[in-house]
Amino acid sequence: QITLKESGPTLVKPTQTLTLTCTFSGFSLSSSGVGVGWIRQPPGKALEWLALIYWDDDKRYSPSLKSRLTVTKDTSKNQVVLTMTNMDPVDTATYYCAHRHSYYSAMDVWGQGTTVTVSS
Amino acid sequence: SFELTQPPSVSVSPGQTASITCSGDRLGDKYVCWYQQPPGQSPILIIYQDTKRPSGIPERFSGSNSGNTATLTISGTQAMDEADYYCQAWDSSAAVVFGRGTKLTVL
Repeated sequence: QITLKESGPTLVKPTQTLTLTCTFSGFSLSSSGVGVGWIRQPPGKALEWLALIYWDDDKRYSPSLKSRLTVTKDTSKNQVVLTMTNMDPVDTATYYCAHRHSYYSAMDVWGQGTTVTVSS
Repeated sequence: SFELTQPPSVSVSPGQTASITCSGDRLGDKYVCWYQQPPGQSPILIIYQDTKRPSGIPERFSGSNSGNTATLTISGTQAMDEADYYCQAWDSSAAVVFGRGTKLTVL
């Protein structure tokens, strides 16, 4: 059974850097085709894709946020870390990580999400 | 940039068929997947590779994709199907693109 769980601060100040960790179980991020994605959702708004890291360390980023995002993986710890710099109140959202299925080419299992508020 | 367009809302009576569209340039050349997000919950994958259902997803959910439009069809809609639905595809640089979501109301 695949599970993912996001963790990190619930409150950050404007201009600070956000660091979120996705801890997963039930799969290996060294298996061919597998990836872990990050998606966020501001309150009452749509899903917005942020980043995706693959088993071979290939990384993809949202073009509109690329300059602020970094995604890394620690295969031995079964963790993926997302950092987002220069946080702003508009970045207030629920942040999800999700398993990218190697065959489906879709995100088939999502974490519960973690809510991040940006406020001074 | 590649964009996906969905209607903001769709209404359907219980037992009837609901159709939710997702439009994008030459979308039929790409794989589309669909997610259901019940209120207050995380998204659930319900359709992948245009037409396929993951294990555990009811048969009343089906998908199609041709030309510039993908469609999610819910047959015999139930009250439990009331949720937000998002389409998703991959652009030419392998970036993920989501539609803006459609709120399905079962009246």
